[in-house]
Parts: sequence; structure tokens; C-alpha cells
Amino acid sequence: KQEVTQIPAALSVPEGENLVLNCSFTDSAIYNLQWFRQDPGKGLTSLLLIQSSQREQTSGRLNASLDKSSGRSTLYIAASQPGDSATYLCAVLRGGNNRLAFGKGNQVVVIP
Amino acid sequence: DAMVIQNPRYQVTQFGKPVTLSCSQTLNHNVMYWYQQKSSQAPKLLFHYYDKDFNNEADTPDNFQSRRPNTSFCFLDIRSPGLGDAAMYLCATSPQGGGLQETQYFGPGTRLLVL
Repeated sequence: KQEVTQIPAALSVPEGENLVLNCSFTDSAIYNLQWFRQDPGKGLTSLLLIQSSQREQTSGRLNASLDKSSGRSTLYIAASQPGDSATYLCAVLRGGNNRLAFGKGNQVVVIP
Repeated sequence: DAMVIQNPRYQVTQFGKPVTLSCSQTLNHNVMYWYQQKSSQAPKLLFHYYDKDFNNEADTPDNFQSRRPNTSFCFLDIRSPGLGDAAMYLCATSPQGGGLQETQYFGPGTRLLVL
């Protein structure tokens, strides 16, 4: 069974600092890994998707890396802003079975 | 805009009183999912439909049922809600499910409160 762990569970950073969020997974047989954002009381929004053959994906201030062999992914958010305050969830898709396995999320507060 | 819509956003029900949550999509996606998410927990997949093909997770309680009458709509029925069923219920869709580049598109969720 795929286990996804996100550390730390919660963190606060001053505005302008770079954010580093970590995700680890136990089974390296994945199709892709995704990072989602969830605002309080809301649904999930997809931020970045990394296919299993890729090493990283970038979108604006966001960069996600994937090391499949070690079962790790890192989400970097450059020059954090108060609007980045949210919970970030990591999820992995196992081959062909439509099922995403989620971590519990990193709850981020960016202090103005 | 194409989207995933969930109604209602907040639902209050009484212990043991059946409740139905609804989800609709304008994306014309083949796959629809229902997740349960409790506070500070990971979303937990309850079941999904691949077109009309229903797929139940092994640990989904019998108290939870689902219907998909057509491509656009999917319903979650909780036959006898207990206090432990209070949670956010998330509906999601994906074009085909399981593709290398395929993500899931989530609705805003329905928060269920059981009194």
C-alpha cells in the first residue's frame, strides 16, 4: 500500500523567504506526482504535475522536483507572499488504477 | 467556465437521517470521484466511476452509496449518518483516469455536520 508523508505538518515563514516543502512516498512505481493547494474550507487546486520520467516542473515561483528512486519530492516556493498561505498536498498516482494517494499536507502561513 | 460544482456547500443533518450530496461537472470527463476529508487529514477515496463502471474502495463503509445517472452528475448517499461521518466531502473528475499527464479537477466540497 502506498504511504505518502509530508513534513513538516505546519510551518510559518516571514514574507519574502523561500518555502521548501517535502513529500516522501513508499512505493516508487508511480505514474506521476502532483502538488495541490487547498485553502481553508475549499477544494483542491492542482499546482504542478511531474510525470514519472521527469525530474522537475516549474510554474512561475513554484518549482517541484521528483526523485523517484528515493521516493521523494520537494516543492519550492520562491519569495513567499501572504497569499501563499494555504495547505499544500502531495499526491501520487499509481500506474493505471485511477487512484491518487494523498499526504496529509503542509499547512503554510506566510507572515506579512 | 468548465467546472466541478458541488451542492450544497454546507449540509447539516441529524444522527441517522439519510442525506444526499450532489456533484455535477461541465468538463465532460469520463471519471468521477468521491473523497472524504476530515480535519488535517489526507483526502480518502470512497469510490469512483469510470463512465458507468462503479469502483468501491475496500474500506468504504456500507453506509455510503453512490449513483451516477449520467455523465454530468454524481451523488453520494449516506444512509444513516453517524457523528464520525462529519467531514468535508470532495468530488473530483478526470478525463480518462490514470494518464501520465492527467490531473484531477476538484469541486469546492460540501462540509457535512451531523448533530
